Amino acid sequence: QAVVTQEPSLTVSPGGTVTLTCGSSTGAVTSGHYPYWFQQKPGQAPRTLIYETSNKYSWTPARFSGSLLGGKAALTLSGAQPEDEAEYYCLLSYSGARVFGGGTKLTVL
Amino acid sequence: EVQLVESGGGLVQPGGSLRLSCAASGFTFSSYWMHWVRQAPGKGLVWVSRINSDGSTTSYADSVKGRFTISRDNAKNTLYLQMNSLRAEDTAVYYCASSGAAGYWGQGTLVTVSS
Repeated sequence: QAVVTQEPSLTVSPGGTVTLTCGSSTGAVTSGHYPYWFQQKPGQAPRTLIYETSNKYSWTPARFSGSLLGGKAALTLSGAQPEDEAEYYCLLSYSGARVFGGGTKLTVL
Repeated sequence: EVQLVESGGGLVQPGGSLRLSCAASGFTFSSYWMHWVRQAPGKGLVWVSRINSDGSTTSYADSVKGRFTISRDNAKNTLYLQMNSLRAEDTAVYYCASSGAAGYWGQGTLVTVSS
């Protein structure tokens, strides 16, 4: 089973920009891995932010964007807000099965 | 209002069985692939299983293959997870979620496997 890697933790200043990445043990992440990004705050269910690399939902704040960057999936937060402090998970597809990354704890400080 | 409401969790002994349900409303359930995802206390998200929109294809994580079965009833807008031969390591909150353009999650149901 593939391993999906994320930065364990990142810190961003309020109003700043940060990029979270999602790598695959099998090689470069492509659009064929259909990357998803999720946000989870303590005590809450996860919330989907991005689907299939870069698509947003009506509830996705405009400051979040998804892309492919340097062989990885990326979630960029531009103009961080205090309420963005949370755990972020990516999910990749491997021929039917899905694998989550270990999560990135994002601190806004 | 979109809702995914899981039920069926609880305390079960090792080797036992449980059937989880996820009742969907507020969106066209039959159009979307559905997933079960679990989260052990204090740990990260783990993908468990998925089923396509008409129920004809399924996939499972290696850790549950042969023990868990995902299914759906589109007439009842309900997703299921039959869990057999439960182990202590299956203890977690189990979430149902839709994928694609319908990225909804339920609030989860706790499954505790313990003697």
